[in-house]
Amino acid sequence: GQNIDQPTEMTATEGAIVQINCTYQTSGFNGLFWYQQHAGEAPTFLSYNVLDGLEEKGRFSSFLSRSKGYSYLLLKELQMKDSASYLCAVVDSNYQLIWGAGTKLIIKP
Amino acid sequence: IAGITQAPTSQILAAGRRMTLRCTQDMRHNAMYWYRQDLGLGLRLIHYSNTAGTTGKGEVPDGYSVSRANTDDFPLTLASAVPSQTSVYFCASSDSQTGGGYTFGSGTRLTVV
Repeated sequence: GQNIDQPTEMTATEGAIVQINCTYQTSGFNGLFWYQQHAGEAPTFLSYNVLDGLEEKGRFSSFLSRSKGYSYLLLKELQMKDSASYLCAVVDSNYQLIWGAGTKLIIKP
Repeated sequence: IAGITQAPTSQILAAGRRMTLRCTQDMRHNAMYWYRQDLGLGLRLIHYSNTAGTTGKGEVPDGYSVSRANTDDFPLTLASAVPSQTSVYFCASSDSQTGGGYTFGSGTRLTVV
């Protein structure tokens, strides 16, 4: 079967750095997305990785290792507004998105 | 309209009733999707459409139907609602199968009683 694993919940302090991990086992791989979802709102696009390595976009970076079936989202200089769920999703061989259950990130002052 | 519009925003529905959730996009995206999101389960694909005139079944299609008469509209119908269909429903679209991020509507919160 296809599987995406993320921690259910993480807590971090304002101004700090947090890394949210995602491991996947899917039938094929055609890219990996990270989305942010604030409570009661729709998911919004953060990043897309299809090649190995680190993609940096402001305070957010996303890393991919295809050989390890592993990705992480790195959030720097955490702000209270970063409190949200972070969803990892993999594009499989049929170009369907397989979603993880999401990681709820709680930021404390 | 900018992006994807879903209607209604929320609805309380009696079990056994028929209900259509509306979804309209103005980005001329080829592909559209319907997801349900339940606590602890993440997003699950109900139905999808890769282009106007075609539809396909996702992970949890039972009890739901869709149509794609044109590029912009992708309604989701519950023929006879049951309490297990209580969920938040998101419509999404994408420009291409690879690399194109999905754009989501604001969601419909449906409660079946």
